[in-house]
Amino acid sequence: DTAVSQTPKYLVTQMGNDKSIKCEQNLGHDTMYWYKQDSKKFLKIMFSYNNKELIINETVPNRFSPKSPDKAHLNLHINSLELGDSAVYFCASSQGHGDTQYFGPGTRLTVL
Amino acid sequence: AQSVTQLGSHVSVSEGALVLLRCNYSSSVPPYLFWYVQYPNQGLQLLLKYTSAATLVKGINGFEAEFKKSETSFHLTKPSAHMSDAAEYFCAVSEGFNQGGKLIFGQGTELSVKP
Repeated sequence: DTAVSQTPKYLVTQMGNDKSIKCEQNLGHDTMYWYKQDSKKFLKIMFSYNNKELIINETVPNRFSPKSPDKAHLNLHINSLELGDSAVYFCASSQGHGDTQYFGPGTRLTVL
Repeated sequence: AQSVTQLGSHVSVSEGALVLLRCNYSSSVPPYLFWYVQYPNQGLQLLLKYTSAATLVKGINGFEAEFKKSETSFHLTKPSAHMSDAAEYFCAVSEGFNQGGKLIFGQGTELSVKP
């Protein structure tokens, strides 16, 4: 049983398109996150939600819009995709702040 | 703001040799510190976590890390490297409650293991 799952695993699209990445966790955690890993493997927080409420928005362009329909799901919608958005996006969850974060397998986004 | 520095973007050891991956952090409050491992094309897996209960933390796969407050370090070690240890390793510090518990990652260290 996968703890944190993401779909799709790979996403290839053209500049200007809109795409979504879905994340689900079955750990019963209250907090979920989105991280971006760039081509140099550097990981940076994008968003954090706690019980469906946005806690962190780390100066991410407003083309990125997270949505949490319930505390088990945190989706990421990206409008008007740009070349620089190409990266691996990881979803994670934790029980609370400072607790261990469990990561999904990642979504590799390639913008052409 | 908290930060993490990993010394050495790439470390190469021989199979059976000691593994030492260095991590230094900056934090104004007692930190939560983590080591994660990332195998190729996979997500991050927790190796171990420091939460102030003990300065020497044992993790999975024979890894351990020692928290040294005076040196603001949290170096990762393994006595004997195995080929399967080849991966990317990330040290991370957790921001406090008021910062939503986000993880601040170091730049990562790629570990290669030679036969």
